[in-house]
Amino acid sequence: AQSVTQLGSHVSVSEGALVLLRCNYSSSVPPYLFWYVQYPNQGLQLLLKYTSAATLVKGINGFEAEFKKSETSFHLTKPSAHMSDAAEYFCAVSYNAGNMLTFGGGTRLMVKP
Amino acid sequence: DGGITQSPKYLFRKEGQNVTLSCEQNLNHDAMYWYRQDPGQGLRLIYYSQIVNDFQKGDIAEGYSVSREKKESFPLTVTSAQKNPTAFYLCASRRGMREKLFFGSGTQLSVL
Repeated sequence: AQSVTQLGSHVSVSEGALVLLRCNYSSSVPPYLFWYVQYPNQGLQLLLKYTSAATLVKGINGFEAEFKKSETSFHLTKPSAHMSDAAEYFCAVSYNAGNMLTFGGGTRLMVKP
Repeated sequence: DGGITQSPKYLFRKEGQNVTLSCEQNLNHDAMYWYRQDPGQGLRLIYYSQIVNDFQKGDIAEGYSVSREKKESFPLTVTSAQKNPTAFYLCASRRGMREKLFFGSGTQLSVL
């Protein structure tokens, strides 16, 4: 069965600092990988997705993620955190052209002034 | 243990048939959601409910219906009006609008 692990249920960074949210998956076949964001009082929004094209994927709001097969990882990064980045971030994996999504437990990002 | 239960895991629909996907949560969450995922795409919101006996359409509500008669239950009916029902359906819930989402394990619906 596929699974996703997000290390750190809470991550706190200072405004302007690097954001790194970790995601590792279990897989015996190449996966499709997604990062979603849930802002306060809003629904889920797709940040970016990896679908076996370029390993470095750029998303919205300055976020990007790199697919590393050898490490089975798909960590999310942003060079400089902004206060508006404070939200819950979910990593998800699926196979067979994207069906059967499995979500990680989520990481709450807090940004300090 | 508290959680969200979706059933069945796999469901097959015949042409012209209505089918209902179950979503039950014992987390005492007020808000519940239904999403649809198509291959290679992100999730899209079908319907959501913030309180019992009330629900709102999401981005792709056409061809779907829901009910929220009990706090813990939010079933989704895929009607015959939904011409392209084959997808993965995910139910989610949260305690309040600022709280974290919890997800069910999903239902894969296919058309025979």
